[in-house]
Amino acid sequence: GDSVTQMEGPVTLSEEAFLTINCTYTATGYPSLFWYVQYPGEGLQLLLKATKADDKGSNKGFEATYRKETTSFHLEKGSVQVSDSAVYFCALTSGSSNTGKLIFGQGTTLQVKP
Amino acid sequence: SAVISQKPSRDICQRGTSLTIQCQVDSQVTMMFWYRQQPGQSLTLIATANQGSEATYESGFVIDKFPISRPNLTFSTLTVSNLSPEDSSIYLCSVGEGKSTDTQYFGPGTRLTVL
Repeated sequence: GDSVTQMEGPVTLSEEAFLTINCTYTATGYPSLFWYVQYPGEGLQLLLKATKADDKGSNKGFEATYRKETTSFHLEKGSVQVSDSAVYFCALTSGSSNTGKLIFGQGTTLQVKP
Repeated sequence: SAVISQKPSRDICQRGTSLTIQCQVDSQVTMMFWYRQQPGQSLTLIATANQGSEATYESGFVIDKFPISRPNLTFSTLTVSNLSPEDSSIYLCSVGEGKSTDTQYFGPGTRLTVL
């Protein structure tokens, strides 16, 4: 079945460092891909999405490009801030069904130190 | 995007009791979903709440344990029945916007602790 694999955390960076969180997926059809963020004690917020190959999603300085050839959707940010400390989830909705089911990766904790 | 609220935001319950969680959306939506996030884990879909018909449950989740209601296009409830400590989790509702469910937005979650 469809699945999402993220790099294990925690990822610890200093402020203004470059961030990459790897995400790869397995899916039939043409899934849509998402990054969600969960700040401490809060629910999930949609960070960005891409719905077809080569699309780039971007928001708040974060970017991710839908790479069909490598089945990847890596999250990047050029300069992280302490306020970016959170858990980041990569997810997909199946391209082969219309159930709307979101399949999540295991989440990657990011800690940014001043 | 839709504004989603959940009640309660958190609760502590005794073993064997039940908790009903409400999810309210400020606009009509086609699809509503319920997810569980166990401590330190990712999210798992429990079921899709269908308006006017029975919910569609994922493998491993049953109606007797997680009854769901969806009386209209803006409201749903999830009940977690016969609670055990293993049910301690965050429960989140989400909604799919527009004509498709392509993008889901989540409520703030309900943190349940079972003693």
